[in-house]
Amino acid sequence: EAGVAQSPRYKIIEKRQSVAFWCNPISGHATLYWYQQILGQGPKLLIQFQNNGVVDDSQLPKDRFSAERLKGVDSTLKIQPAKLEDSAVYLCASSRLIPIRAETQYFGPGTRLLVL
Amino acid sequence: AQKVTQAQTEISVVEKEDVTLDCVYETRDTTYYLFWYKQPPSGELVFLIRRNSFDEQNEISGRYSWNFQKSTSSFNFTITASQVVDSAVYFCALRDNYGQNFVFGPGTRLSVLP
Repeated sequence: EAGVAQSPRYKIIEKRQSVAFWCNPISGHATLYWYQQILGQGPKLLIQFQNNGVVDDSQLPKDRFSAERLKGVDSTLKIQPAKLEDSAVYLCASSRLIPIRAETQYFGPGTRLLVL
Repeated sequence: AQKVTQAQTEISVVEKEDVTLDCVYETRDTTYYLFWYKQPPSGELVFLIRRNSFDEQNEISGRYSWNFQKSTSSFNFTITASQVVDSAVYFCALRDNYGQNFVFGPGTRLSVLP
């Protein structure tokens, strides 16, 4: 079974530029998550999708961050405009079922973003 | 609000030593789930274990064991006879019964020296 795929693996941009990250979850997984992991910290949940609907986006900075999951499969996370403090690793994860009983999440390799 | 504390920022041990990573959590929920993840230098988080709040049985998987104590809100992780490949950052995490509010602790960096 293929794992969670993410691209690009690395991205360097200047502040105020825009950037987008892509995630392809494990086939058949209904729930998809985006996390932000700042260096030296644990991951922080940004947004959670169930199929193509948003379940939880309470920690997403909506003035600059947006995410979508068209057709309930792939997802894109966008930052526009980026700030220096957005430098982090952006992790995508997926889980098999709707998130009752806290199904196990499987993580992708992450996209490392550096904002200069 | 849910919170996870991992008081040990970094631990260094010599190969074959046993090591315990501490995790203390806070939640008002009666039903919740606890997790441990390993993050090796490659960066990908690897799932190790999930435990629900009604199952306080300790679990052993090879060299890994977990001690869940609801009375002290702790879910500690022990590696027996550590190996260099165990070197990684280990995260404890807490999730509510509805699959939301997934909170990670700050992580403990374990270095196993040869």
